[in-house]
Amino acid sequence: DGGITQSPKYLFRKEGQNVTLSCEQNLNHDAMYWYRQDPGQGLRLIYYSQIVNDFQKGDIAEGYSVSREKKESFPLTVTSAQKNPTAFYLCASSMSGTAHTEAFFGQGTRLTVV
Amino acid sequence: AQKVTQAQTEISVVEKEDVTLDCVYETRDTTYYLFWYKQPPSGELVFLIRRNSFDEQNEISGRYSWNFQKSTSSFNFTITASQVVDSAVYFCALSEGRASGTYKYIFGTGTRLKVLA
Repeated sequence: DGGITQSPKYLFRKEGQNVTLSCEQNLNHDAMYWYRQDPGQGLRLIYYSQIVNDFQKGDIAEGYSVSREKKESFPLTVTSAQKNPTAFYLCASSMSGTAHTEAFFGQGTRLTVV
Repeated sequence: AQKVTQAQTEISVVEKEDVTLDCVYETRDTTYYLFWYKQPPSGELVFLIRRNSFDEQNEISGRYSWNFQKSTSSFNFTITASQVVDSAVYFCALSEGRASGTYKYIFGTGTRLKVLA
């Protein structure tokens, strides 16, 4: 089945730790995105990538890092510099970065700092 | 800068009532695209519709309909004869057709719809 797979579904992090959220797609999409969702704030863009080995900061990139070494994969690392990491994280992809196509979303990872 | 506003934070209706979710957008581009997504309790966003800036025709799909008006920069979503299964958070989104080829989706804050039996 084609789609986007995010793992894990739930993740707990101790303060001061870095954690990496996985996002894999088999849709052959060039563009991939990471969004953060907090209650009442909608989806905010963290990072996005139009092609392999290239990515751009979104609106709230501080405390996060990404890599795009393969077309299918766009992992997000939440670093210890992110002061309030507890949130729901959504990964998405779209065809060739063209604006006329919709983005497809994974099922999300809920990160909690303990 | 581009922006999407969904002023309705939460709406509650009784089953079989009609309900309209409002979306107002801002953009300086003449070419842009608008979307609606549904987020059920499972969390995954489900795509509902895409509209480009050159097509102002309203669209109907079953109980769902969309009203796109460039004059008021609005792209409203109506559910007719609502059902309990329509309960979800609905997001409106904007994507611009930038010449540089760098595209991103800007989302509104969402409207939580509760349909009561």
